Amino acid sequence: EIVLTQSPANLSLSPGERATLSCRASQSVSSYLAWYQQKPGQAPRLLIYDSSNRATGIPARFSGSGSGTDFTLTISSLEPEDFAVYYCQQRSNWPTFGGGTKVEIK
Amino acid sequence: QVQLQESGPGLVKPSETLSLTCTVSGGSISSYYWSWIRQSPGKGLEWIGYIYYSGNTNYNPSLKSRVTISVDTSKNQFSLKLNSVTAADTAVYYCGVGYSYGQFDYWGQGTLVTVSS
Repeated sequence: EIVLTQSPANLSLSPGERATLSCRASQSVSSYLAWYQQKPGQAPRLLIYDSSNRATGIPARFSGSGSGTDFTLTISSLEPEDFAVYYCQQRSNWPTFGGGTKVEIK
Repeated sequence: QVQLQESGPGLVKPSETLSLTCTVSGGSISSYYWSWIRQSPGKGLEWIGYIYYSGNTNYNPSLKSRVTISVDTSKNQFSLKLNSVTAADTAVYYCGVGYSYGQFDYWGQGTLVTVSS
């Protein structure tokens, strides 16, 4: 099983600030890494797939980077609707998810 | 845009079989990868397995002995059966679709299944 470790667990920021979320894999997943956003009571929503590709309809303020074992999700300027929990997920082997980073309003 | 909707009992007794169905609208089930994923406070998000439209399946090794996923293309539905359930199987169950293996492009709203006597 490939274990994904996300950091930090919690991130307190103000609207307009830049958010940087990290995801580290226990072994290389090449570029097969996705990011999801989840709001309370809702299903996760795909933001980024294969490390750096934005999914349909995702705003340009969301960007992803990385390969191998280290990945980053960046939100360039936080909008009020961006405060949520973010998960990374790999599909190099059978799919596994990280534990999540909660982005909350400071 | 494809839409997915889970349905099935919200309460299952221990040792019995959990059965859920996902109905697909806005697109044909005769393509792509159709998955079940669950989320519980204790284990977070956990992929259960997928079925390709051709009928090929792949399951999470930790659940493989208890899981069956099937597809009914005539009804545009796919289903999950998880047998011998325990309280540890209590979770919100989601169905999802991916354009590539192991990717989850769209999700259903989720359905809470509680295992309790």
